[in-house]
Amino acid sequence: ELKVEQNPLFLSMQEGKNYTIYCNYSTTSDRLYWYRQDPGKSLESLFVLLSNGAVKQEGRLMASLDTKARLSTLHITAAVHDLSATYFCAGGDYGGSQGNLIFGKGTKLSVKP
Amino acid sequence: EPEVTQTPSHQVTQMGQEVILRCVPISNHLYFYWYRQILGQKVEFLVSFYNNEISEKSEIFDDQFSVERPDGSNFTLKIRSTKLEDSAMYFCASSGAGARSYNEQFFGPGTRLTVL
Repeated sequence: ELKVEQNPLFLSMQEGKNYTIYCNYSTTSDRLYWYRQDPGKSLESLFVLLSNGAVKQEGRLMASLDTKARLSTLHITAAVHDLSATYFCAGGDYGGSQGNLIFGKGTKLSVKP
Repeated sequence: EPEVTQTPSHQVTQMGQEVILRCVPISNHLYFYWYRQILGQKVEFLVSFYNNEISEKSEIFDDQFSVERPDGSNFTLKIRSTKLEDSAMYFCASSGAGARSYNEQFFGPGTRLTVL
């Protein structure tokens, strides 16, 4: 059974600083997803990482996947207040037929001026 | 841009009552999902649905839950006799492909269910 662990669970950053959120998963999952959730809102897809070594960047966020280490990272560069949200990683649980998503607990990011 | 829609946005019900949560997936998608998120916690998978039948379900999805695609556009989650612990945000998601290909799931805005 796929398990997904994120850390840290809470992250308070100053604007302009860099930081990395880590996502470890327990069994083979050849794709990894990152979602953003604002308070009371739905999940917005940020990145889908499909293969070992995949790296994707959008603005100040960069995600990578190392399937050998079973690790994905979400790197934040020069944080701004608008990035404050909860970030979830999710692995595809392909033990079944349809690839249900197994989510980590989320990292609540707060960027302070 | 196509999106998943859900109604109602907020449902308040008494314990023991039946509720039906409704979703309209993206029109050309074939795979449908329900997830829930208890306040402040992680998102949990409930059930997946393809070709008019359940593909997978989690331990949470017990006999009190059922899903249906009553017509070509709606996808519903029914809770037969609600319990206090069913209070959560329920998200519907859809994708254009299943496990063996690119499976980006798009989430609806959610229905907040409050059981009193």
